[in-house]
Amino acid sequence: DAGITQSPRHKVTETGTPVTLRCHQTENHRYMYWYRQDPGHGLRLIHYSYGVKDTDKGEVSDGYSVSRSKTEDFLLTLESATSSQTSVYFCAISGPRTGENTDTQYFGPGTRLTVL
Amino acid sequence: KQEVTQIPAALSVPEGENLVLNCSFTDSAIYNLQWFRQDPGKGLTSLLLIQSSQREQTSGRLNASLDKSSGRSTLYIAASQPGDSATYLCAVRPGRDDKIIFGKGTRLHILP
Repeated sequence: DAGITQSPRHKVTETGTPVTLRCHQTENHRYMYWYRQDPGHGLRLIHYSYGVKDTDKGEVSDGYSVSRSKTEDFLLTLESATSSQTSVYFCAISGPRTGENTDTQYFGPGTRLTVL
Repeated sequence: KQEVTQIPAALSVPEGENLVLNCSFTDSAIYNLQWFRQDPGKGLTSLLLIQSSQREQTSGRLNASLDKSSGRSTLYIAASQPGDSATYLCAVRPGRDDKIIFGKGTRLHILP
């Protein structure tokens, strides 16, 4: 357990509504990532952060935005949810962190999002 | 562009057998390679990480090897158990500050 949590764990919403998913870590890791996982596509990177207020796009960033105002929290926002964004969303973290240099990537438990 | 492939997509073996899962990547210049396990409905659990300078890593019944020149890694599971049933994913980090690239995984079923 790398001290990473996601909330909510499950969410059902309607097309066109905004949705925010939260990733929280307690281990002070520098890097944080948002992935989505879909059958046939595997894991795809949406956005990632390499420090507070430093973020960059992944391979499937359209329709998503992120924010990281403090080390421990990384928020993923769907401004106007669409049915194609129905997926399981995973947050991940990796080093370095204070006093340690680790390359291992740790994953959160996931958020299952359904957009009707 | 780095691509990671895992074949087969699914595998069933009787309990007690030793087995090997394969991972191949197209560009031999990698920073590290990581093996994960994912149980149904769960997140990914890191199993082993091999740095580019290493040839293998071991943890309990698991042994992962890395051959950069051939673009291959294998995950060896000794004396398989039903609890080993899961999807196993391989992921490559091309450079120290690069994003990691995942294979699509091998779904392993250990038959009791």
